Amino acid sequence: SQTIHQWPATLVQPVGSPLSLECTVEGTSNPNLYWYRQAAGRGLQLLFYSVGIGQISSEVPQNLSASRPQDRQFILSSKKLLLSDSGFYLCAFTPSLETQYFGPGTRLLVL
Amino acid sequence: SQKIEQNSEALNIQEGKTATLTCNYTNYSPAYLQWYRQDPGRGPVFLLLIRENEKEKRKERLKVTFDTTLKQSLFHITASQPADSATYLCARNYGGSQGNLIFGKGTKLSVKP
Repeated sequence: SQTIHQWPATLVQPVGSPLSLECTVEGTSNPNLYWYRQAAGRGLQLLFYSVGIGQISSEVPQNLSASRPQDRQFILSSKKLLLSDSGFYLCAFTPSLETQYFGPGTRLLVL
Repeated sequence: SQKIEQNSEALNIQEGKTATLTCNYTNYSPAYLQWYRQDPGRGPVFLLLIRENEKEKRKERLKVTFDTTLKQSLFHITASQPADSATYLCARNYGGSQGNLIFGKGTKLSVKP
């Protein structure tokens, strides 16, 4: 069966520190992968998507970057966190280019 | 640009009643609309997908409609239960072949016993 994992579940980081969030998918090959951010009271904002290894598309300019070093691994990074980077980060994949399946999320608090 | 709007931030209903949530989109009709459920602190979970050429789709106590004239989808939960309390998100596909979705902000449903 297809599953998606994200870690860590929660993270508290000081402003200016680096960030690395990891997402892995099991049970599927060559999925499209997505990173979303959900700020309090706001909808899901698509940050990055990837259609294959090393292929990253950014939806919005920001302080974050993404990488896909392996087929089923998607990483969200930042060199220096800002207060505005706080939020709930969700990774998702689609095996069919229709329905998306989401991970459990990482709650990030930047202080 | 395409937009998707869920006008009600919150909906409170009594157990046993039918909950009806609204989703409106702008510009051209999407190939499909989707509905997801999100519980606090968790990722969204897919519920139903309805295609542009389908008027209605059902799954157990859930029913979704797609009206291309009104540019609207309605999501119904019949015989609602307190366990149905959650935030429900509407999503549409947009451009290209990447499977990208635009999500509404969601409607928080509370079902009171």
